[in-house]
Amino acid sequence: GAVVSQHPSWVICKSGTSVKIECRSLDFQATTMFWYRQFPKQSLMLMATSNEGSKATYEQGVEKDKFLINHASLTLSTLTVTSAHPEDSSFYICSAPRDPSTDTQYFGPGTRLTVL
Amino acid sequence: GQQVMQIPQYQHVQEGEDFTTYCNSSTTLSNIQWYKQRPGGHPVFLIQLVKSGEVKKQKRLTFQFGEAKKNSSLHITATQTTDVGTYFCAGPQAGTALIFGKGTTLSVSS
Repeated sequence: GAVVSQHPSWVICKSGTSVKIECRSLDFQATTMFWYRQFPKQSLMLMATSNEGSKATYEQGVEKDKFLINHASLTLSTLTVTSAHPEDSSFYICSAPRDPSTDTQYFGPGTRLTVL
Repeated sequence: GQQVMQIPQYQHVQEGEDFTTYCNSSTTLSNIQWYKQRPGGHPVFLIQLVKSGEVKKQKRLTFQFGEAKKNSSLHITATQTTDVGTYFCAGPQAGTALIFGKGTTLSVSS
């Protein structure tokens, strides 16, 4: 069945560096993808909606200059955490709609970011 | 703003006991979805309920959508150790993005 992949699965970086996370839809096209953030033992918080061919839509309180989103193609969205700080350490998960007529989602396996 | 609440936050049961998690939305939902996240894993879609009062079953799992389309429940009969994980309900917000409940983490001891 359709799958969403993410790369890398985990990354450790130093404060001040930037980290790029890729989200790919396999075997299907996704004009829209979603980026979530999950802290340990907490729920998923929507960060932004990635739109192919147009600017991403960010949720209230999410800094668009810090979390850069690029939806480069119908199968690829990237999230770049710029000038990362320890408080950016988290589990980042992307998703893509399973079926355009429903709201159900396929989730990627997630990327665990640790900023030292 | 729109909120989705879930209780309980944690539940521990003995294998073979039943388990129920409840979900309530502050607004009427067009549909409710349930996802399961195993420890260290990512959310996996379980089911979507669309109709008022709808009940769906998946083997030992029974899902209900309330008449007012603001609440839902997931009931597991005779839990097994493979049922361990966090169960999230989610409802659509703007577009097709989802707003998630806080989840109920189920632990099962054999």
